[in-house]
Amino acid sequence: SAVISQKPSRDICQRGTSLTIQCQVDSQVTMMFWYRQQPGQSLTLIATANQGSEATYESGFVIDKFPISRPNLTFSTLTVSNLSPEDSSIYLCSVERQGSPTEAFFGQGTRLTVV
Amino acid sequence: QKEVEQNSGPLSVPEGAIASLNCTYSDRGSQSFFWYRQYSGKSPELIMSIYSNGDKEDGRFTAQLNKASQYVSLLIRDSQPSDSATYLCAVNQAGTALIFGKGTTLSVSS
Repeated sequence: SAVISQKPSRDICQRGTSLTIQCQVDSQVTMMFWYRQQPGQSLTLIATANQGSEATYESGFVIDKFPISRPNLTFSTLTVSNLSPEDSSIYLCSVERQGSPTEAFFGQGTRLTVV
Repeated sequence: QKEVEQNSGPLSVPEGAIASLNCTYSDRGSQSFFWYRQYSGKSPELIMSIYSNGDKEDGRFTAQLNKASQYVSLLIRDSQPSDSATYLCAVNQAGTALIFGKGTTLSVSS
């Protein structure tokens, strides 16, 4: 399994500010995924980040609110912009093991509270 | 809309019993099927993956897949209090992101 380091593990932010979450993988991966898990809910895919191209966003998520960078094959960031209390969630990055079939592994998650 | 359905529970079983968790999915093109365990406040942990029809056993865990019925299940034998968690079913096609169900909360009482 891939070792995925995600930080910060938690943060409390003021509304209107932004938070950038970092995800570092110990090996090169083609695709990285960002998920949101709202309280008591399952995981919802925000976007898929490929190195060298713009992220692909799922319905209901836009680049202005959730800008993503993918500068190389081992690193990605997700920024949650213009924070509101509704953004309070756990954010998770995920990678797939190279090869087929694919298995996905998660970082430790970032628990965001917006006050 | 690709969907993965699970009973939210809670599913309560006594220690030592078999816990049975069920999942159905809508996309017939799904190729890979996973069960994740998530303890409260933690990130999901992969516990089982299955890709072909039939059963796959790993220790106390058995995953069952029936593609014709679009159904996947997880059996936990000799359930322990430490198995108490939320179990997430996830499916995908090769090269695509996972689609998760809402999860089933399992409570094992000692």
